[in-house]
Amino acid sequence: TVLTQSPGTLSLSPGERATLSCRASQSVSSNSLAWYQQKPGQAPRLLIYGASSRATGIPDRFSGSGSGTDFTLTISRLEPEDFAVYYCQQCASSPQAFGQGTKVEIK
Amino acid sequence: EMQLVQSGAEVKKPGESLRISCKGSGYSFTNYWISWVRQMPGKGLEWMGRIDPSDSYTNYSPSFQGHVTISTDKSIDTAYLQWSSLKASDSAMYYCARLEGYGNGYYGVYWGQGTLVTVSS
Repeated sequence: TVLTQSPGTLSLSPGERATLSCRASQSVSSNSLAWYQQKPGQAPRLLIYGASSRATGIPDRFSGSGSGTDFTLTISRLEPEDFAVYYCQQCASSPQAFGQGTKVEIK
Repeated sequence: EMQLVQSGAEVKKPGESLRISCKGSGYSFTNYWISWVRQMPGKGLEWMGRIDPSDSYTNYSPSFQGHVTISTDKSIDTAYLQWSSLKASDSAMYYCARLEGYGNGYYGVYWGQGTLVTVSS
């Protein structure tokens, strides 16, 4: 399964809403899709699992939705610490491929 | 406290062999799969493979099959990523992650701090 994320870069201001897309080349079994956040010099952090469940400690401004081949990560109001790169990953079967990432940058 | 601690940065020459490690603590090591992820400089995340420490069953990405070996030593709660002959293109940050199962998926909840591998003549 190949995951394609769009856009490549999203330029927004703090307080704005961010909508990130992840499209799979074939249906993701049981919607076993994850979203990760990565900041420079840090390991990735799990935000969303099962397409829509927030991981422990993740603020509720982060939400995931979608099913089948089309998934979305929404950040309702961007905080300064949210500017980072976001990756989706299919987690249903091997190989657990990642998308190429979406960079959310400050406008 | 649950931790994954990776071995330190490595500088190697092309053709040399290398094994980097990922030691788990604060949990039952054999209860969770470990995966390895590559990140080349300025690039995205690439899933390399995963291993079940309880029986060493391993899956590899086709992109990495035959180029690396993933293994564990459950007596010391440690997973390994190994190369027999490094190339300059193996220069990257390598992360291990503990996978947790929810529903039908396995997710990287806990991550090591990363090991930087530099291969240069």
